[in-house]
Amino acid sequence: DAGITQSPRHKVTETGTPVTLRCHQTENHRYMYWYRQDPGHGLRLIHYSYGVKDTDKGEVSDGYSVSRSKTEDFLLTLESATSSQTSVYFCATRASYEQYFGPGTRLTVT
Amino acid sequence: AQSVTQPDIHITVSEGASLELRCNYSYGATPYLFWYVQSPGQGLQLLLKYFSGDTLVQGIKGFEAEFKRSQSSFNLRKPSVHWSDAAEYFCAVGGMEYGNKLVFGAGTILRVKS
Repeated sequence: DAGITQSPRHKVTETGTPVTLRCHQTENHRYMYWYRQDPGHGLRLIHYSYGVKDTDKGEVSDGYSVSRSKTEDFLLTLESATSSQTSVYFCATRASYEQYFGPGTRLTVT
Repeated sequence: AQSVTQPDIHITVSEGASLELRCNYSYGATPYLFWYVQSPGQGLQLLLKYFSGDTLVQGIKGFEAEFKRSQSSFNLRKPSVHWSDAAEYFCAVGGMEYGNKLVFGAGTILRVKS
């Protein structure tokens, strides 16, 4: 357990509304990641961060932005949610090439 | 580009039987390989990892995996499955050459018959 919490754990929102998901870690890990999990696709990387204010795109970054103003917090924002962004979102941190995952946020866009 | 294939979407085994979950990867350099397990509604837990050295690695919960470079495979095994092993299993590949990112397979759902 790498001390990762995600909030909210569940959220239902309407198409076109902005949504922000929060990931908080207590391990002081430098690297943090946001993934989405969809049936048949496993986990796909959205964005990741390699330090405060240092972020980069992953495989499925369109429609998402991230921010990291403190080591312990990594925010994922959907500027205008769409139904295709209905998914389970996982945050992870990395230590020695091992990634540790949070409990996930289930997001439904109606 | 790196990729991972898990050929079996679902596998059903009887309790007490042996298990092998397949994983094939594509990676242009020395891979770091991982197996994760996910119980329903939970996050992912690391079962075991391979970085270098002995190609047979032991993990938690009695699992092991063997790295075969010639076959680009990293199959997960367990000699005797317990009902509590029912879950989804993910293989992942990463390494220094790809910016410390992991690529995951699509997962294999394990069902255990009593």
